Amino acid sequence: GQQLNQSPQSMFIQEGEDVSMNCTSSSIFNTWLWYKQDPGEGPVLLIALYKAGELTSNGRLTAQFGITRKDSFLNISASIPSDVGIYFCAGFYNTNAGKSTFGDGTTLTVKP
Amino acid sequence: NAGVTQTPKFRVLKTGQSMTLLCAQDMNHEYMYWYRQDPGMGLRLIHYSVGEGTTAKGEVPDGYNVSRLKKQNFLLGLESAAPSQTSVYFCASSYSLGGNYEQYFGPGTRLTVT
Repeated sequence: GQQLNQSPQSMFIQEGEDVSMNCTSSSIFNTWLWYKQDPGEGPVLLIALYKAGELTSNGRLTAQFGITRKDSFLNISASIPSDVGIYFCAGFYNTNAGKSTFGDGTTLTVKP
Repeated sequence: NAGVTQTPKFRVLKTGQSMTLLCAQDMNHEYMYWYRQDPGMGLRLIHYSVGEGTTAKGEVPDGYNVSRLKKQNFLLGLESAAPSQTSVYFCASSYSLGGNYEQYFGPGTRLTVT
């Protein structure tokens, strides 16, 4: 089946630093979604991307849909302690009834 | 709106017991999904539904059954629980129009099978 490779697996950064993580696939996707999961909670949608090359921002978060449609990037600027959590990417191919493929997540730790 | 709710939040089962997990959404979404999440891993799709009365298999369907008798509810059943089914189970729902598949997740059910 389709697989998403998410990297890095974990990150340890100082408060105020910028963060970059990415997701790559051997398959083409029509939609990329980025989620954040806090401990003991369900994933929460951060950003949705629908067009190749699209760059979308949500506050300090910026995500891009790769031109090849096989990758996506998420950047967090000026990290704060509440950014701690697991970040997941998910890829969709629209004709597949909304079935998504999720990456294994990037665990972010922010040191005050 | 409550969004997506799941009951129960926690459950401990013995091997061979059965149970049903309930998912409810109040957003009038057509699509609903059941995922499992094991430690250090992403979400794997168990079953999904594209509308009331329909269900389909996902990536890891074995040992589970589902039903969607009402649009707002999606039930996940374990007929004979096994220790390998110890996991956190998440339900999600989404719109289905215009290629918008943004999924909204419930808080999860933590299941332990001993």
